[in-house]
Amino acid sequence: NAGVTQTPKFQVLKTGQSMTLQCAQDMNHEYMSWYRQDPGMGLRLIHYSVGAGITDQGEVPNGYNVSRSTTEDFPLRLLSAAPSQTSVYFCASSWLGGGLDLETQYFGPGTRLLVL
Amino acid sequence: SQQGEEDPQALSIQEGENATMNCSYKTSINNLQWYRQNSGRGLVHLILIRSNEREKHSGRLRVTLDTSKKSSSLLITASRAADTASYFCATDSVGKSTFGDGTTLTVKP
Repeated sequence: NAGVTQTPKFQVLKTGQSMTLQCAQDMNHEYMSWYRQDPGMGLRLIHYSVGAGITDQGEVPNGYNVSRSTTEDFPLRLLSAAPSQTSVYFCASSWLGGGLDLETQYFGPGTRLLVL
Repeated sequence: SQQGEEDPQALSIQEGENATMNCSYKTSINNLQWYRQNSGRGLVHLILIRSNEREKHSGRLRVTLDTSKKSSSLLITASRAADTASYFCATDSVGKSTFGDGTTLTVKP
């Protein structure tokens, strides 16, 4: 199993450009999520999904879109990149217990994004 | 705003000593999880403790949870240089996981 994979590993964008960060998992997990991590800080939840066709906003959703057409893939789209979106982006997946209880989250290696 | 807050922000100890990190949170939770992050890497899961559990062990790790005080602690016994990393607690509630800013642990050989 590859686990959670993310592409690209590093990206430089100019202000106003758009791009899609890719995330895929091969563990058949229902739950997938996107986080951003700024220097010296913890992870902040951007968007999450509890299954194909179902997405919801996290703590910092503005400027980002997601979709979940398959169980395996959960791409994150930056609509119009801004310097404030310079960060490291992590994708994660997990089983869901009863009552939407999260089980162990498995994280991808991250995508470092620099917006000039 | 962050739900979980780790304390201390930084901790430096000698190899062989024990390290204790604390996590406090504000609202009710379903689970609480601890993760480790080596510099520049992704997060690795350490322990999940459910709201109806008080203590869990995994190797040299011991996690406690006190829901009345809304706090958790992570104890690493007999620390090693390889334990040098940042440690995060994450509180889980209805499909959302909220991370604190972490404790940076340095273990000196």
